[in-house]
Amino acid sequence: DAKTTQPTSMDCAEGRAANLPCNHSTISGNEYVYWYRQIHSQGPQYIIHGLKNNETNEMASLIITEDRKSSTLILPHATLRDTAVYYCIVRVGQAGTALIFGKGTTLSVSS
Amino acid sequence: DTEVTQTPKHLVMGMTNKKSLKCEQHMGHRAMYWYKQKAKKPPELMFVYSYEKLSINESVPSRFSPECPNSSLLNLHLHALQPEDSALYLCASSRDSTPGYTFGSGTRLTVV
Repeated sequence: DAKTTQPTSMDCAEGRAANLPCNHSTISGNEYVYWYRQIHSQGPQYIIHGLKNNETNEMASLIITEDRKSSTLILPHATLRDTAVYYCIVRVGQAGTALIFGKGTTLSVSS
Repeated sequence: DTEVTQTPKHLVMGMTNKKSLKCEQHMGHRAMYWYKQKAKKPPELMFVYSYEKLSINESVPSRFSPECPNSSLLNLHLHALQPEDSALYLCASSRDSTPGYTFGSGTRLTVV
């Protein structure tokens, strides 16, 4: 699976949009971009995934660049409960292959 | 039921003890996983079960022994652990037709 690079940490004010970047310059054509988050002392939580089109669900939006070498997870109105470690993961296929976590970005949302 | 349930939530064991961690899901997921997470580190994959058969063992020491007795249950048997094995042990499950993993809240293990 392709390697990903994320900033170690980011800060965001409550109510503002949080934009979390991820570089995956070696991504292959059949690899998806997944985002998970892990709130302190809990198991990771699936947020969203995409192949090449932008995606949106009730939690977040995922913007993937046209060359697919980077992506941005957007939390449109961050709340204190969004404080967590966010993991960007690239993997083949939609299911069946194991999920391998990188270091992630620690997002701190403050009031 | 949309949860993965892990028991116990906390476990303290001596280095000569034998204990087991349990993971259960009733979502019809046919793939189940064990991860180990040390403090301030990302989860590390240990084992993958697919249709109740072990498909991936990430070179985990034999003192960790996984077992999948049926499609809903995954166990991790522990024997002769070391203090450095103290960590949060996470279980997850997934289904081929859906992209996301569902994780349990984990068992926090302390080896003394």
